[in-house]
Amino acid sequence: NAGVTQTPKFQVLKTGQSMTLQCAQDMNHNSMYWYRQDPGMGLRLIYYSASEGTTDKGEVPNGYNVSRLNKREFSLRLESAAPSQTSVYFCASRPGQVHQPQHFGDGTRLSIL
Amino acid sequence: DAKTTQPPSMDCAEGRAANLPCNHSTISGNEYVYWYRQIHSQGPQYIIHGLKNNETNEMASLIITEDRKSSTLILPHATLRDTAVYYCIVRGPGANAGNMLTFGGGTRLMVKP
Repeated sequence: NAGVTQTPKFQVLKTGQSMTLQCAQDMNHNSMYWYRQDPGMGLRLIYYSASEGTTDKGEVPNGYNVSRLNKREFSLRLESAAPSQTSVYFCASRPGQVHQPQHFGDGTRLSIL
Repeated sequence: DAKTTQPPSMDCAEGRAANLPCNHSTISGNEYVYWYRQIHSQGPQYIIHGLKNNETNEMASLIITEDRKSSTLILPHATLRDTAVYYCIVRGPGANAGNMLTFGGGTRLMVKP
């Protein structure tokens, strides 16, 4: 019963380093999402992929890139990490029907020093 | 998306029903009501959603008023593990980029022994 799996769960980076956050879902969902959540705040959408082969920007895309590797996997890359990107990152997926709910992973806690 | 209003916090005794209200007086005809919860440091967990009929699943019941301007999430027998922040979200299909979810302040439910 895996659902949405994110790796790693925790990571500490130095400013300027690069890293890729991995997300995989086993529910055969069409759409996938990357959000970030800062302390005491709601989730903000970084990028999403409505279907395999497509990606689009969300609210806060600057400093990030994404790849929809296949239907199961959607990765988020930080090319040159900055302290402002310290956050908890959540991946979510949703079936094709637009009213169906999103299902979330347990998050990656990222600290950038 | 319609704006939602929830009380910032509520207490409930363990074993009793927890009734969490949500006001969404500007909801439009094709917008669904979704409930999620977030237990500290975990990813948001989908609970239930509905359009106009009452819904029930293994986790909770959702009661939507006939005019659809408000709803109540019912956890029939609250346990300590139900302590979390509960979010009521209203949105329609294709309302914004990628159908992203907007989490407001939510209700912090504290289940007490």
